[in-house]
Amino acid sequence: QKEVEQNSGPLSVPEGAIASLNCTYSDRVSQSFFWYRQYSGKSPELIMSIYSNGDKEDGRFTAQLNKASQYVSLLIRDSQPSDSATYLCAVNILKGGGTSYGKLTFGQGTILTVHP
Amino acid sequence: SQTIHQWPATLVQPVGSPLSLECTVEGTSNPNLYWYRQAAGRGLQLLFYSVGIGQISSEVPQNLSASRPQDRQFILSSKKLLLSDSGFYLCAWSVGGLVGYTFGSGTRLTVV
Repeated sequence: QKEVEQNSGPLSVPEGAIASLNCTYSDRVSQSFFWYRQYSGKSPELIMSIYSNGDKEDGRFTAQLNKASQYVSLLIRDSQPSDSATYLCAVNILKGGGTSYGKLTFGQGTILTVHP
Repeated sequence: SQTIHQWPATLVQPVGSPLSLECTVEGTSNPNLYWYRQAAGRGLQLLFYSVGIGQISSEVPQNLSASRPQDRQFILSSKKLLLSDSGFYLCAWSVGGLVGYTFGSGTRLTVV
């Protein structure tokens, strides 16, 4: 089992729809969860972070965390063509306890295309 | 504000040649620093991380090495490049163990 897995995609949604991106992780003691957006040929950009169970909203983005199910998701409301990118889930995997020095493990990414 | 600089942006190198990629961070002290590689169509692979000057941890054994000669400088090197070293190299920084990274703009390396 991979440490961080994302739905493989690619995901295509019409403009104005809700895009739902999912991620599962293997380490039960992980504490920090992040979503990055990566445009083609560019470096990843942090768009959301979440640390506790429940929802966290920032503009059109909502991150959801369920530690019992080891599941984190990102919802993008009112999707725009400019949201078309690869979305990377990242988890602070602690590997048996102790500090991980902030090392993040990334999923493979989900390619999102928003078509007009 | 904090900024991260990474250069060069693009590099084409022959097999067997040396490599030196540099990353510097401004506006913060004692950052955690990271080198990642992203091969074409693949995810991000952590190569090295550093929590202080001269402290380097390697995640994946390979023909690459890293050094941190100054607090905010992180260098990725190789003595002899392989074709498999091609990829998008990303430097990142963070402060603390629970916050996300900020990535540099990356170096796209093609080994020919």
